[in-house]
Amino acid sequence: DAGVTQSPTHLIKTRGQQVTLRCSPISGHKSVSWYQQVLGQGPQFIFQYYEKEERGRGNFPDRFSARQFPNYSSELNVNALLLGDSALYLCASSLSSATGNTIYFGEGSWLTVV
Amino acid sequence: GQSLEQPSEVTAVEGAIVQINCTYQTSGFYGLSWYQQHDGGAPTFLSYNALDGLEETGRFSSFLSRSDSYGYLLLQELQMKDSASYFCAVRNSGGYQKVTFGTGTKLQVIP
Repeated sequence: DAGVTQSPTHLIKTRGQQVTLRCSPISGHKSVSWYQQVLGQGPQFIFQYYEKEERGRGNFPDRFSARQFPNYSSELNVNALLLGDSALYLCASSLSSATGNTIYFGEGSWLTVV
Repeated sequence: GQSLEQPSEVTAVEGAIVQINCTYQTSGFYGLSWYQQHDGGAPTFLSYNALDGLEETGRFSSFLSRSDSYGYLLLQELQMKDSASYFCAVRNSGGYQKVTFGTGTKLQVIP
């Protein structure tokens, strides 16, 4: 079975531009979360979506937005990119929104802002 | 808020045993998880302790003491491929699914 898949794997953007990252969860999983991981640190929670609704949001500015589609895939959008947005963006999926469910990460999208 | 502290680096010899500690402060607690992350890779789930005690999964074991707000990951029969970063993590109690990760411990296994 396929795991969590993300695209693109690597991309370079210029400061001020916008970026869209995509995620397909594990088959049967209905919850998708997004995390940002800056080099040398642990992942930081950005969003959780379940059944196409935002269930939780971390301490990130409004430049960050996301959505979930009927097939449970998800997109993360970041507007007005800053140099500090350079990071690994991880998507994670789980069966449901229950706190006890294990989350499984994709390989991530490496974003470099120049 | 939630915070988790881990040693930043640990070095151990191939074949040996190593313990990675984690102390946490949380406003609500729904168990302690451990993740492994190789350089350039995704975090991979290793173990989860909801209750006090030891959980064993092959060469890896994880321990939790809720009264001490403390846990550890024990890696036995270390292999070179175990060189990676290890993160402890707690699950959110706010009605949605958020995982807060620790500062991470970089394990280097040497011959």
